Amino acid sequence: EAGVAQSPRYKIIEKRQSVAFWCNPISGHATLYWYQQILGQGPKLLIQFQNNGVVDDSQLPKDRFSAERLKGVDSTLKIQPAKLEDSAVYLCASSLEVNTGELFFGEGSRLTVL
Amino acid sequence: KQEVTQIPAALSVPEGENLVLNCSFTDSAIYNLQWFRQDPGKGLTSLLLIQSSQREQTSGRLNASLDKSSGRSTLYIAASQPGDSATYLCAGSSNTGKLIFGQGTTLQVKP
Repeated sequence: EAGVAQSPRYKIIEKRQSVAFWCNPISGHATLYWYQQILGQGPKLLIQFQNNGVVDDSQLPKDRFSAERLKGVDSTLKIQPAKLEDSAVYLCASSLEVNTGELFFGEGSRLTVL
Repeated sequence: KQEVTQIPAALSVPEGENLVLNCSFTDSAIYNLQWFRQDPGKGLTSLLLIQSSQREQTSGRLNASLDKSSGRSTLYIAASQPGDSATYLCAGSSNTGKLIFGQGTTLQVKP
C-alpha cells in the first residue's frame, strides 16, 4: 500500500515570495491534515479536511496561508507571501476515518525562507 | 485547551538498557493516544495507537500505556538498540481526530 506522498521535499525561497506544497493521501483515506513542524518542536495542526470540507482551520494564518482539497483526494497548501518564521517542515497526514485517530504521515516538505 | 508535555527532552542510554519515556496531558477527555518515531529529516512513523477504550498496546519491544485519570502515557522500550535512536513523539487526539503533540524526547542509544 502506497503511503502519503508529498512534494516538493525541499524548497528555498526569499521572503515575500509564494510557495505551494502538494499532498496525496493514502487511497481511501477521507481525512487529511496539514501540520507545521518548526525545528525542535512537535508538529502543530494547520488545517484538517474531512473529504473536501474543512473540519478545523483555527490555527491556520489565513492572511497568508491557504489550503484546498477540491475533489476530496489530494490537497495543496499555499503560503503567500512567505515570512522568515514560516521556515519549517510541512507535514501531511491522512487517516481512514476521523475517530480511528491513527494518522499516517508523509515525509514532509522542508521550507527555508531567506 | 489540551497541552502535551514530554519528559525528558533528551535521553542517552547504553545499548541493552530498558527505558521509559513519559508523556503527560492536561485534559483527561482525550480520545486516542498515539506514539510516533521521527528520524532526522524524515516524517513521523506511527509506533502504537491506544484507542479510547484501551489501556495499553504492545508491538515487539515496545509497550505503551495510557492512564486517562492521571493524564499520563508511557512508552517502554525493552533491550534498547542503537537503531532505536530517534525522536519519540506522543500525541493525544480529540474525538475529531485532531492530534496535539508533545515536543518529543530525543533518544540516543550508545553501542
